Amino acid sequence: DSGVTQTPKHLITATGQRVTLRCSPRSGDLSVYWYQQSLDQGLQFLIQYYNGEERAKGNILERFSAQQFPDLHSELNLSSLELGDSALYFCASSGPLRGGINEQFFGPGTRLTVL
Amino acid sequence: TQLLEQSPQFLSIQEGENLTVYCNSSSVFSSLQWYRQEPGEGPVLLVTVVTGGEVKKLKRLTFQFGDARKDSSLHITAAQPGDTGLYLCAGAREVGNTPLVFGKGTRLSVIA
Repeated sequence: DSGVTQTPKHLITATGQRVTLRCSPRSGDLSVYWYQQSLDQGLQFLIQYYNGEERAKGNILERFSAQQFPDLHSELNLSSLELGDSALYFCASSGPLRGGINEQFFGPGTRLTVL
Repeated sequence: TQLLEQSPQFLSIQEGENLTVYCNSSSVFSSLQWYRQEPGEGPVLLVTVVTGGEVKKLKRLTFQFGDARKDSSLHITAAQPGDTGLYLCAGAREVGNTPLVFGKGTRLSVIA
């Protein structure tokens, strides 16, 4: 158990809909990262938050947005869903650096299926 | 363009055999991490290597970081069915709390 929790575990929805994925980082971790994993692309970085502020953006579509709340949990919002958005979505968190090393710990993921 | 190339993509071996998987890049990384992922679960961190030429051992697993910090390898001795899974390498381009760049992984199957 990494200490990172994600809900829901599975999500099935229709094209055009909007969903929210939730992540709670490990206790004490200030950084939260969202990744998308598909069969052909592997794990792709979407967005990072650090202590409530957006820190870095990756390959995140304009239809997707995220935020990190004062209690450090994070939500990833996916809207106007398309079939191609079907994937596993992972949240990872990292804490204080040890020797400059950023070790990220992953949650169990949310499997999104868009029909 | 995939920044980290992993090979082989798939590997199926018999229990007791040795194997090596590779993670290569033309870019320099400040650190590199290896994860193992099982179906339906999130990646689990195995090891982090930081220094060029560094070798780390974790029981039957040996990890090496290239001298130029552009490549890494994972060697498994006497593989067991419990080693089955997707092995991912991930690099940090900078020191600090930064996103990781992942390879597409090597899917290992160890047959009893």
